[in-house]
Amino acid sequence: TQLLEQSPQFLSIQEGENLTVYCNSSSVFSSLQWYRQEPGEGPVLLVTVVTGGEVKKLKRLTFQFGDARKDSSLHITAAQPGDTGLYLCAGDLNSGGSNYKLTFGKGTLLTVNP
Amino acid sequence: DSGVTQTPKHLITATGQRVTLRCSPRSGDLSVYWYQQSLDQGLQFLIQYYNGEERAKGNILERFSAQQFPDLHSELNLSSLELGDSALYFCASSVGTGPYNEQFFGPGTRLTVL
Repeated sequence: TQLLEQSPQFLSIQEGENLTVYCNSSSVFSSLQWYRQEPGEGPVLLVTVVTGGEVKKLKRLTFQFGDARKDSSLHITAAQPGDTGLYLCAGDLNSGGSNYKLTFGKGTLLTVNP
Repeated sequence: DSGVTQTPKHLITATGQRVTLRCSPRSGDLSVYWYQQSLDQGLQFLIQYYNGEERAKGNILERFSAQQFPDLHSELNLSSLELGDSALYFCASSVGTGPYNEQFFGPGTRLTVL
């Protein structure tokens, strides 16, 4: 059983469209992160959210952390081919500190077609 | 380029064998993390070292072990290899530990067990 469920698993859209991907759990996370991974490379951190209800924006990307800190969403406006990649969410169940461990979802594979 | 280096890039070996994966963290980073990424399990945290000492443990098998040396590079040893150990192995590094310390991932080592 995955602690973090991401949906959809695959998403193929045209350039210029908007999209939202989701990360859900039945567990409460003390912090949650979003990463993008491109083929042949390691994940790259996009954002960290720590407060329930928090919204962060990174250019065309908007990240939201649920009020109960159990879920998160990533919204991309006017998607571009450069946004193509595997989007991973990852959370810490253990209140950070010395026992900080990231639990990853399986990801959403996004393809933006020109 | 994240600044984290991993060698080798690819490794092909047989069941029952033992291999060592190597990671050099970014200059100045004291924490090293090891992750395993497979199609069925996704990205899973294995173990973390901070300044030479084990800090956190995840889903690491008893056949696997790791260490961090005084120069801060780290090695992941995988023994009695099984077909199911075929995966991408990532190393990441950060300055400290916790959600406010961004983890920078290396390019990974692709292990194939035949």
